[in-house]
Amino acid sequence: EVQLVESGGGLVQPGGSLRLSCAASGFTFRSFAMNWVRQAPGKGLEWVSFLSGSGANLYYADSVKGRFTISRDNSKNTLYLQMNSLRAEDTAIYYCAKLAVVAASGPFDCWGQGTLVTVSS
Amino acid sequence: QLVLTQSPSASASLGASVKLTCTLSSGHSSYAIAWHQQQPEKGPRYLMKLHNDGSHNKGDGVPDRFSGSSSGAERYLTISSLQSDDEADYYCQTWDTGVQVFGGGTKLTVL
Repeated sequence: EVQLVESGGGLVQPGGSLRLSCAASGFTFRSFAMNWVRQAPGKGLEWVSFLSGSGANLYYADSVKGRFTISRDNSKNTLYLQMNSLRAEDTAIYYCAKLAVVAASGPFDCWGQGTLVTVSS
Repeated sequence: QLVLTQSPSASASLGASVKLTCTLSSGHSSYAIAWHQQQPEKGPRYLMKLHNDGSHNKGDGVPDRFSGSSSGAERYLTISSLQSDDEADYYCQTWDTGVQVFGGGTKLTVL
């Protein structure tokens, strides 16, 4: 069974940092691109970042570019999101999501349960 | 710019059918999309990938009550024989090199 489990969320002050993790199982992790998607309280889904299976290609939403860094450790089947210079507007549930196909882009076919990040003083 | 537009809300009666719409922005009518369901207090769940010709590939375990269709720039999700646990938010998603885009979501109420 394909499974994604996020961790690392919590309460952080504005300007602070946090690192999220997403542990993957049930599929050949290194073959699939992975993404982070967030959802602010009461709002819709917002794509945050993409990382190819090899780690060679990565993309960010304009709202997080220069502050967030996506990475992966294929030996540990784990995806990461390093979040720096956090702002109140980064408060959201953060989901990791797996690409459905072994390709450069496409739909997401598996989501984690999410981890809540709250940025507040 | 690649944009997806969804109506904020929809409603239908228990046992009836409902058709949700997702509209691609001008110049992007050939794009495939995906539909996702998000039940209250849960993470999203992949329902299907829907192509511009109306063909679709459903996710594991998605009931036959869920189907997709297309017309021009519009992509549809039809849910038949509505059940109470179909009450959820439904999001469409599309993609291009370096970007993923979500529609604003449709909140479906089952009456």
